[in-house]
Amino acid sequence: KAGVTQTPRYLIKTRGQQVTLSCSPISGHRSVSWYQQTPGQGLQFLFEYFSETQRNKGNFPGRFSGRQFSNSRSEMNVSTLELGDSALYLCASSFERGSTDTQYFGPGTRLTVL
Amino acid sequence: QQQVKQSPQSLIVQKGGISIINCAYENTAFDYFPWYQQFPGKGPALLIAIRPDVSEKKEGRFTISFNKSAKQFSLHIMDSQPGDSATYFCAASMVYQLIWGAGTKLIIKP
Repeated sequence: KAGVTQTPRYLIKTRGQQVTLSCSPISGHRSVSWYQQTPGQGLQFLFEYFSETQRNKGNFPGRFSGRQFSNSRSEMNVSTLELGDSALYLCASSFERGSTDTQYFGPGTRLTVL
Repeated sequence: QQQVKQSPQSLIVQKGGISIINCAYENTAFDYFPWYQQFPGKGPALLIAIRPDVSEKKEGRFTISFNKSAKQFSLHIMDSQPGDSATYFCAASMVYQLIWGAGTKLIIKP
């Protein structure tokens, strides 16, 4: 089985721009969760999507949004980028909703905001 | 109350030695405690996990010790190898999300 794939792997943007990141889960997995990883804050939960609906959300501003398509692929969008948004954005997939015990992570998208 | 505190921040162990990483939590609602291993350029990968009704779980050279009354759990890596050099994260799960520790950068010296 192919693993979780994330595109692009690296991205450089400037403040004020917006960005869209993509995640393709493992075949058959219906839940996709997004995390932000920074040296200072560690890994922080952004949101989870299951059956095209956001099921759970972390403590991030509304500039961070996402969606999930019928094939379970998910996109994450960050609008009006700030320097502090520079981070590794990780996507994790699992078969069931909220299955934190069977999450598989992708390699991440490294976002740099200048 | 949502935090998971992990220590040490970094750890250097000689090859063949025992690596020990500790985590502590406050919220008794947590019901699942995984450890993840992350290599540079890769996403975290589940290493081993435990539920609070068990005090110890062993998988190969990796052991989780869990102390429910103290609200602490730890990862022990026996016979540590250079290939174990990575960043290790503990986490605790509740309400469909993982709360992560800050991570421990482990270096195994040959």
